[in-house]
Amino acid sequence: EDQVTQSPEALRLQEGESSSLNCSYTVSGLRGLFWYRQDPGKGPEFLFTLYSAGEEKEKERLKATLTKKESFLHITAPKPEDSATYLCAVQASNDYKLSFGAGTTVTVRA
Amino acid sequence: NAGVMQNPRHLVRRRGQEARLRCSPMKGHSHVYWYRQLPEEGLKFMVYLQKENIIDESGMPKERFSAEFPKEGPSILRIQQVVRGDSAAYFCASSPAVGSGNTIYFGEGSWLTVV
Repeated sequence: EDQVTQSPEALRLQEGESSSLNCSYTVSGLRGLFWYRQDPGKGPEFLFTLYSAGEEKEKERLKATLTKKESFLHITAPKPEDSATYLCAVQASNDYKLSFGAGTTVTVRA
Repeated sequence: NAGVMQNPRHLVRRRGQEARLRCSPMKGHSHVYWYRQLPEEGLKFMVYLQKENIIDESGMPKERFSAEFPKEGPSILRIQQVVRGDSAAYFCASSPAVGSGNTIYFGEGSWLTVV
């Protein structure tokens, strides 16, 4: 069974204080690893899909990287508007559904 | 291009009533997924549908829950005889197909409260 573990559960940052979120996974063949952002009372908002080890993608202050066992979401010089829960999910090569981790809740203080 | 549309956004039902949640996928998307997010828990897969077909319902409770995606109209998640434990956020997602490069987009969710 696919497993996704995210750490830490919660992260409190000062504005401008860069940090990284971890997503460890086990899957029988990876089709894709997805990162989403979720604000309270809203649905998950798509950020990135990574397909193979070594791949990196960037969007504004966010950068996602992938190895064979884990993915990192780096937040560079975060702003208060980056406060959200960040969700990681994997899609196995022989499947279509996403298996989600529990998420990391990031709070950025001004 | 409108995103995944879900309604109602909020729904209150008394125990024993029925809840019907609707989902219109993004334009051009023929694959629909339903997920449930219980309070303080992560998103859990429930069911995957294509037009007129249920492909995988392995995550859906065997009783009281059903889903459909008719040829015309939105996908419907139906919960009969609701109980307190059904209180959760129900998210619909859609994709154009299955495979690498096909991003899965989520709607804003339907929040069900059972009183």
